[in-house]
This record gives sequence, structure tokens and C-alpha cells, in this order.
Amino acid sequence: NAGVTQTPKFQVLKTGQSMTLQCAQDMNHNSMYWYRQDPGMGLRLIYYSASEGTTDKGEVPNGYNVSRLNKREFSLRLESAAPSQTSVYFCASSEGGRQFPHTGELFFGEGSRLTVL
Amino acid sequence: KNEVEQSPQNLTAQEGEFITINCSYSVGISALHWLQQHPGGGIVSLFMLSSGKKKHGRLIATINIQEKHSSLHITASHPRDSAVYICAVRSGGLGGATNKLIFGTGTLLAVQP
Repeated sequence: NAGVTQTPKFQVLKTGQSMTLQCAQDMNHNSMYWYRQDPGMGLRLIYYSASEGTTDKGEVPNGYNVSRLNKREFSLRLESAAPSQTSVYFCASSEGGRQFPHTGELFFGEGSRLTVL
Repeated sequence: KNEVEQSPQNLTAQEGEFITINCSYSVGISALHWLQQHPGGGIVSLFMLSSGKKKHGRLIATINIQEKHSSLHITASHPRDSAVYICAVRSGGLGGATNKLIFGTGTLLAVQP
């Protein structure tokens, strides 16, 4: 099984450009998450989707939008990139579900390293 | 003060040594995760536990709910164990608005041959 697949692995953007990070999981998980990882800080939740058809803001949602396209796919969009969004982004999934959104073992993608100039 | 604190932040060990990484938290939890991240790599789940002890190969994780503390032990350490080890807790009850994951900042382990 591929687990959690996210693309692209690397991206360089100029300030103001837009891009979408794609994420797909093949474990039939209900919950999917987007995190960012910055030096000296723990993983911070940007958005999550407890189940297909729902999305909720996390700790640091400003400047981002998400789409839960179907049960497998959860994308993260930067509409107008800013240097403060330079980070490593991780998609993750877990069994979860609407009633218990953050439950179950976590499975992460390989990460997407984004640089905004 | 962070809700999840790990110690030490950095650890250097010689191959073969017994290693302990600690995680203390200040909130009520329903589960605790230990994760591993190799340099420049993805994040892998090692353990998810809510009580007692779990063992997988050379790795052992323990949790003391009353003391709000968990430890990750590595026996017979090897250079391939060099990685960042991250503790995360699921706060609040199993469901509801207070349910969330809180991550520690990680412990960087280097095992020298």
C-alpha cells in the first residue's frame, strides 16, 4: 500500500503566486489533516477534515484553503503565497471520523518543502 | 509553558547504549503518540498508547497517566536510530470541540558508531 502520498515534494514560489498541495490516502481513513513544520516548533495544524464533506480550521488557517475532494483526497491551497508560508507541509490521515475526529494511529506523507521568495 | 514538553531536546549516544526520551504533558489526554522523523524525511508512527506499556522490537513506550508522563526507550541503540522523536497527545475526551492533537518540539537523537 502507498499509504499517504503528497505532491509536490519541493516547490519554490514568488510572493503572491498560488499553488495547491495534493494529498491522497488509500487506507479508507475518515480523517485527514494538513500540518506545517517550522524549526523549533511542534507540528501545527492548518486544517483538518474529520470526514468526507467536512473541513475545519486548525491552529494556523490564515492564508490557506482546503478541499476534501472525496474520501481519498484532501488538498491545501495557498491563494497568494507569502514568505511566512515558507515551511515543510505534511499531510496525514487517521481512522478518525466526525464523532472522534483526531483518533487512531497517524499516517503521514513524505512532506512538501515550500519556499516563498 | 508548552502543553507538551520533551526532554532532552538533543541527545548523543554511543552505539549499543540504552536511550530514554521523556515526554511530559499538562492536559488531560485520551491517547499519546510517539513518532519518528529521519533527517529530511517523512514522519512515521511508532506507538499510540493510552495506558501501560508497548514494545516493538528494540523500542519500548510507557505511559503513566497519573503523573502525565511518557517515556520512549531504545535498547541496543544503532546509528540508524538517529532521528527526531516526537511526542504528541490527544487532548480532551474522545470527541467534541476540545479534542485535538498537541505536538512536542521533538528530541534530536544522534547515535554514533
